[in-house]
Amino acid sequence: SQKIEQNSEALNIQEGKTATLTCNYTNYSPAYLQWYRQDPGRGPVFLLLIRENEKEKRKERLKVTFDTTLKQSLFHITASQPADSATYLCALEDGTASKLTFGTGTRLQVTL
Amino acid sequence: GAVVSQHPSRVICKSGTSVKIECRSLDFQATTMFWYRQFPKKSLMLMATSNEGSKATYEQGVEKDKFLINHASLTLSTLTVTSAHPEDSSFYICSAGGAGVNIQYFGAGTRLSVL
Repeated sequence: SQKIEQNSEALNIQEGKTATLTCNYTNYSPAYLQWYRQDPGRGPVFLLLIRENEKEKRKERLKVTFDTTLKQSLFHITASQPADSATYLCALEDGTASKLTFGTGTRLQVTL
Repeated sequence: GAVVSQHPSRVICKSGTSVKIECRSLDFQATTMFWYRQFPKKSLMLMATSNEGSKATYEQGVEKDKFLINHASLTLSTLTVTSAHPEDSSFYICSAGGAGVNIQYFGAGTRLSVL
């Protein structure tokens, strides 16, 4: 069956360091992969989309990689700040029209 | 990014009553809207896909008669939780997608508490 796993439920990191979050999947052949941010009690917010033929995508302090051989995406936040503290979700299209399946999320806590 | 408004943000109701949640895309026409349910510290669970002008497509295990979805226009979808019971208490979130690449724009969510 299809599965999406995010490496850890929670990640604590010191301000200024680079946070790296992992998303692994099995039994998918996604055309693209997305990352979302969710704050407590709020809906997710779209951050980045990376296509299967792209190795890397950047947006400001964010960087996403996509390795379709390893079936893995890495999400990096450089120079992390306390305001980056949130839950980060990866999402894959499931092969049918429109639908996304979300990973369980990694809760990032950036401390001073 | 696109704006999706979800209302109400919080509702408390008695067991047996019905609750309607609205989801509006404010600055774009959403051919497809999605309804999710989220339990504490868990990921989003897709309940149904709502297409304008047609019946919603429900995920396996989601009761159609319990969770009524209407998508009457390109900017509005509603979810009605009928005869709500305490086990229906949850965080419900809608999202809207436009044509093309499947980025979803989410509402702020509705916290439903059934007493």
